[in-house]
Amino acid sequence: GAGVSQTPSNKVTEKGKYVELRCDPISGHTALYWYRQSLGQGPEFLIYFQGTGAADDSGLPNDRFFAVRPEGSVSTLKIQRTERGDSAVYLCASSLTSGVVNEQFFGPGTRLTVL
Amino acid sequence: GNSVTQMEGPVTLSEEAFLTINCTYTATGYPSLFWYVQYPGEGLQLLLKATKADDKGSNKGFEATYRKETTSFHLEKGSVQVSDSAVYFCALITRESNYQLIWGAGTKLIIKP
Repeated sequence: GAGVSQTPSNKVTEKGKYVELRCDPISGHTALYWYRQSLGQGPEFLIYFQGTGAADDSGLPNDRFFAVRPEGSVSTLKIQRTERGDSAVYLCASSLTSGVVNEQFFGPGTRLTVL
Repeated sequence: GNSVTQMEGPVTLSEEAFLTINCTYTATGYPSLFWYVQYPGEGLQLLLKATKADDKGSNKGFEATYRKETTSFHLEKGSVQVSDSAVYFCALITRESNYQLIWGAGTKLIIKP
């Protein structure tokens, strides 16, 4: 079956612009996670949804970052007034439900470059 | 707090060598432990996992045993192949971490023919 998909695969933008990154989870997965990975580092948690609601947004670095999942499926990560430090690979993962034993399946990521 | 420490890379081995990548953790509660692999140009894939103490996860010839007494989850393989060249990440998850994966920095493995 289809895995987690993310669009676009690459996004180049200018400092100060607004960007939206999309994640399509595996069908039927109720939990959805966003992580950010900088070069040479492990992923860093941003936010996770259980259904439509953000169950934990403690990893969002500041109020320029926002994410939604209005129908409990597709999610969009929104970044306002982008800064060069936002450049990273943004990863989305989904799992059947939240929990310590459920595998998180990852998408290929969106590489964001802020010039 | 929760954290994962894994050995720095790159680790360079010859084909058919024995592999160990060390991983230790600090966690509140009772974590599940994971090894993920990222092959060049691909996304993260779960390699193996263990959900309680003394469990052994295994897949594709790789193994790791959840050692609560030493808070470790070292990855091993008896005979590596060139196709095992990738970046390996150790990670944990707990209910107390709100089910977010806590990651090590990754270890790049290079296998030479």
